[in-house]
Amino acid sequence: SQQGEEDPQALSIQEGENATMNCSYKTSINNLQWYRQNSGRGLVHLILIRSNEREKHSGRLRVTLDTSKKSSSLLITASRAADTASYFCATDGNKLTFGGGTRVLVKP
Amino acid sequence: NAGVTQTPKFQVLKTGQSMTLQCAQDMNHEYMSWYRQDPGMGLRLIHYSVGAGITDQGEVPNGYNVSRSTTEDFPLRLLSAAPSQTSVYFCASSSPILYEQYFGPGTRLTVT
Repeated sequence: SQQGEEDPQALSIQEGENATMNCSYKTSINNLQWYRQNSGRGLVHLILIRSNEREKHSGRLRVTLDTSKKSSSLLITASRAADTASYFCATDGNKLTFGGGTRVLVKP
Repeated sequence: NAGVTQTPKFQVLKTGQSMTLQCAQDMNHEYMSWYRQDPGMGLRLIHYSVGAGITDQGEVPNGYNVSRSTTEDFPLRLLSAAPSQTSVYFCASSSPILYEQYFGPGTRLTVT
């Protein structure tokens, strides 16, 4: 069974808009990571947030973590066509458990 | 650095055949993992290794074997291919401290 579950499963936005996706997980974690996968390619690490952190930024990415609700969110600000991809959350450390992903389409 | 490399990129097998998917990394990472990704789904962990000589099972290990004789290489063996093993296979490596996983480009396997 999958530890992380992303929501929504798919998201379509216009270039310049913000994209927000959520991840819920079932058991306690040490850290949570977000990855991006372009069509037909391997995954690329975006950001890691530890269980004692509540918010983290990296460029146009903002990640929050609420351990009491067992959930995380990824916000991409000012989206670009190049942000079109699937986004996955994953827990925990080096032995990752992935969710099913959110497919994001950014229309120019 | 080449990062994580996988060969082959594509493979078609007949049911019952065996083969080895190759994975190599040049970042001196201790951790290496194999995942499979089925259409429209996330990745599922097959086997992983925390260092040379040490391997363990992930979520879906049946039908696959691994070994880790060197830090650099982590081959995945399909013992007797089945159509249910049709998938895209990704190898990844990471350091035990930073956790960030580096993924290879994947091997697309079809079993007929």
